[in-house]
Amino acid sequence: EADIYQTPRYLVIGTGKKITLECSQTMGHDKMYWYQQDPGMELHLIHYSYGVNSTEKGDLSSESTVSRIRTEHFPLTLESARPSHTSQYLCASSERFLYYGYTFGSGTRLTVV
Amino acid sequence: AQRVTQPEKLLSVFKGAPVELKCNYSYSGSPELFWYVQYSRQRLQLLLRHISRESIKGFTADLNKGETSFHLKKPFAQEEDSAMYYCALSGPGNQFYFGTGTSLTVIP
Repeated sequence: EADIYQTPRYLVIGTGKKITLECSQTMGHDKMYWYQQDPGMELHLIHYSYGVNSTEKGDLSSESTVSRIRTEHFPLTLESARPSHTSQYLCASSERFLYYGYTFGSGTRLTVV
Repeated sequence: AQRVTQPEKLLSVFKGAPVELKCNYSYSGSPELFWYVQYSRQRLQLLLRHISRESIKGFTADLNKGETSFHLKKPFAQEEDSAMYYCALSGPGNQFYFGTGTSLTVIP
């Protein structure tokens, strides 16, 4: 079934560890996004991509990095996790025009201890 | 700069009562507004878009450019409407800008 998948759903990790949050979609969407969501706050765009080998930083400053080597895959990496990175991370994808909105993944809730 | 404001973090209404979730925006261009919803333990999903002038699950939203608002309304709230609602604006960079969300609780 065409969908967008995020793994893991929950992750607890120690400070200083390197982590990669996975996001894959099987809808053939060119555009993919990573948002950070804290309780009671708006969703903040941290990275986006309009296609293979295209990545841009969003409005929210982030110490994470992303890559887009394949259309369907858009992983987010934190080289050295810190407690301030504790948050919910949402991956989304969309068609070329936003008329149909985003399709969101289920999210990864990251806790850095 | 573009911004979306949802003034109510929490909203409670009784079943069968009308409900209105407020959304105001600031944007210098021609706005395209959307509402997203997140039910308990489910993903964030698109509810409706202003350009379609559609009614989804009994909800409607009218874009008022004069008041820069896009309030979400339903005449008779149902328990299954309890959820988190986000107003979003499609703006520069072909991306969405989201408000902080309103948590709606429909009391039986």
